[in-house]
Amino acid sequence: SQQGEEDPQALSIQEGENATMNCSYKTSINNLQWYRQNSGRGLVHLILIRSNEREKHSGRLRVTLDTSKKSSSLLITASRAADTASYFCATDATGNTGKLIFGQGTTLQVKP
Amino acid sequence: GAVVSQHPSWVICKSGTSVKIECRSLDFQATTMFWYRQFPKQSLMLMATSNEGSKATYEQGVEKDKFLINHASLTLSTLTVTSAHPEDSSFYICSATGQGVYNEQFFGPGTRLTVL
Repeated sequence: SQQGEEDPQALSIQEGENATMNCSYKTSINNLQWYRQNSGRGLVHLILIRSNEREKHSGRLRVTLDTSKKSSSLLITASRAADTASYFCATDATGNTGKLIFGQGTTLQVKP
Repeated sequence: GAVVSQHPSWVICKSGTSVKIECRSLDFQATTMFWYRQFPKQSLMLMATSNEGSKATYEQGVEKDKFLINHASLTLSTLTVTSAHPEDSSFYICSATGQGVYNEQFFGPGTRLTVL
């Protein structure tokens, strides 16, 4: 499969809790990106982490990248009901001229 | 951030007809545009890569004669689904990249195609 894997496939938490999603991929990469998608809508770019970076923060988001394990994680702290959405990782593989390969996604439900 | 639009946002057509979907970069020149397809509750699957002025590069398993892609200018790419069938019903999303960006793609809002 050209896609990476994400786990969990679905996650349900209470508002205020933290949510962690994991992504594994198969090839060497230039960068890895995380996107959010509300049901039936387009993608919203959350964060890009380059292959030489290990951790990146943006507001309540924290992304880590371990290229030796070919894995990444997205942590959303102090979750809100509005964070309910599907989250996808996407890898820009080395030599692929910008093509993104998406993971299977994690569906997050944050209960108020 | 850069804005990418798609038109139409949704379309319903009869089986056997052709449907054209437009993807426009509104405030930057897109050297490369990508077309994705997303079935319900699934991830995005890359269909093809489109570079301005050249033929599109299709991913394995995507029929180039069925999904015609034209990237005639630096701000517009079109995807035409020819002789559409119900199994082509899906959410089609385009994205665009400019020059000098760390391969960040800017995504359009998607087009929902329903073939009856």
